[in-house]
Amino acid sequence: EAEVAQSPRYKITEKSQAVAFWCDPISGHATLYWYRQILGQGPELLVQFQDESVVDDSQLPKDRFSAERLKGVDSTLKIQPAELGDSAMYLCASSSGGPNEQYFGPGTRLTVT
Amino acid sequence: AQSVTQPDIHITVSEGASLELRCNYSYGATPYLFWYVQSPGQGLQLLLKYFSGDTLVQGIKGFEAEFKRSQSSFNLRKPSVHWSDAAEYFCAVGAREYGNKLVFGAGTILRVKS
Repeated sequence: EAEVAQSPRYKITEKSQAVAFWCDPISGHATLYWYRQILGQGPELLVQFQDESVVDDSQLPKDRFSAERLKGVDSTLKIQPAELGDSAMYLCASSSGGPNEQYFGPGTRLTVT
Repeated sequence: AQSVTQPDIHITVSEGASLELRCNYSYGATPYLFWYVQSPGQGLQLLLKYFSGDTLVQGIKGFEAEFKRSQSSFNLRKPSVHWSDAAEYFCAVGAREYGNKLVFGAGTILRVKS
């Protein structure tokens, strides 16, 4: 069964450093999402791509976060500089579009020290 | 604004007992609804979904949920809980009018005692 791949699974970084996460969605899924999940809370959407275009980044802290999906396939989420409050699980999901279910990857657990 | 409320942060049930997890939503559009489950340190797995039609939907692992428009609820049920059901459960709501993005509740942690 096809899965969403994410790497790394765990990342520890010092504040003010740069960090990047990678996501490879299920083949053929045009829509890709990045979520942030703070401990004890539900996932919150950071950015949504349709193919290579951003369709929603209203909750993305654009002063430090960036996301790209250059060829409309895999995607990278970057934080620079990282802050203590960025410690969270970063989840990637993909779907075939529309009101279809989103398939989630295993996530990247980020700890900022 | 769209919101999802899961009133119970923690629930503990005995193995073999029935389970109901509550979910209420506030949405300015016709919603579609999901329940996801998350084991510690893992991603989210879809249990079931409701788009339209029959308001009682069946999912994986013996779970079901009922959509009640008049109560803005989508409660998750299971007649007999197994120890392996211990996990965190998230209700999520989306709508085409809001670009199909999902809004999640804060989750309910299920503990199963033997």
